[in-house]
Amino acid sequence: DAGITQSPRHKVTETGTPVTLRCHQTENHRYMYWYRQDPGHGLRLIHYSYGVKDTDKGEVSDGYSVSRSKTEDFLLTLESATSSQTSVYFCAISESYGTGRPDTQYFGPGTRLTVL
Amino acid sequence: AQTVTQSQPEMSVQEAETVTLSCTYDTSESDYYLFWYKQPPSRQMILVIRQEAYKQQNATENRFSVNFQKAAKSFSLKISDSQLGDAAMYFCAYRSARRGGSQGNLIFGKGTKLSVKP
Repeated sequence: DAGITQSPRHKVTETGTPVTLRCHQTENHRYMYWYRQDPGHGLRLIHYSYGVKDTDKGEVSDGYSVSRSKTEDFLLTLESATSSQTSVYFCAISESYGTGRPDTQYFGPGTRLTVL
Repeated sequence: AQTVTQSQPEMSVQEAETVTLSCTYDTSESDYYLFWYKQPPSRQMILVIRQEAYKQQNATENRFSVNFQKAAKSFSLKISDSQLGDAAMYFCAYRSARRGGSQGNLIFGKGTKLSVKP
């Protein structure tokens, strides 16, 4: 199994409060991703990173920001949480093996976030 | 934009029997990758199998195999000798092979919930 951890694993917070989710990898992979999973939608990409301090937006990035100051850590921040951000959040990592293209993605265990 | 469609929200199979999960996708690209991920009740996303579009041979992993029909844009998953532990949500996913831009982001279908009856 890929060495990916997410913290916290569960969190309940109130509307309007800031929340930061952490993804930590021990694989030294270049690419990292944040997805959210909601019933009826599968997984949707929020933001991704292709290197330290290199990030870009995904399909559902509004209301989220990310940072990557080290290869092993990718942080997802909800500046002011809303009830629509109640979801399960997954981090994923992948490597690029000489082709310059990201390879298969491996997922962390997920974080269940509830915004009341 | 690419899309992935899983037309079967739920499927059921008898233990030891074979089941096929359907997936279709839409893309204008010729070079891409396709994946099946399994999500058991533990919520962990587990890679089941992967297929490169340039390969004509269908991928297999033990009891799991795919039927990849590039012209039809179809990518079905066959599970043989189904086991109770195969019960899970199964997601089909697409990834472009081109460099830059989306950097290999996955586009997922909405999933098929598979139940295995003893």
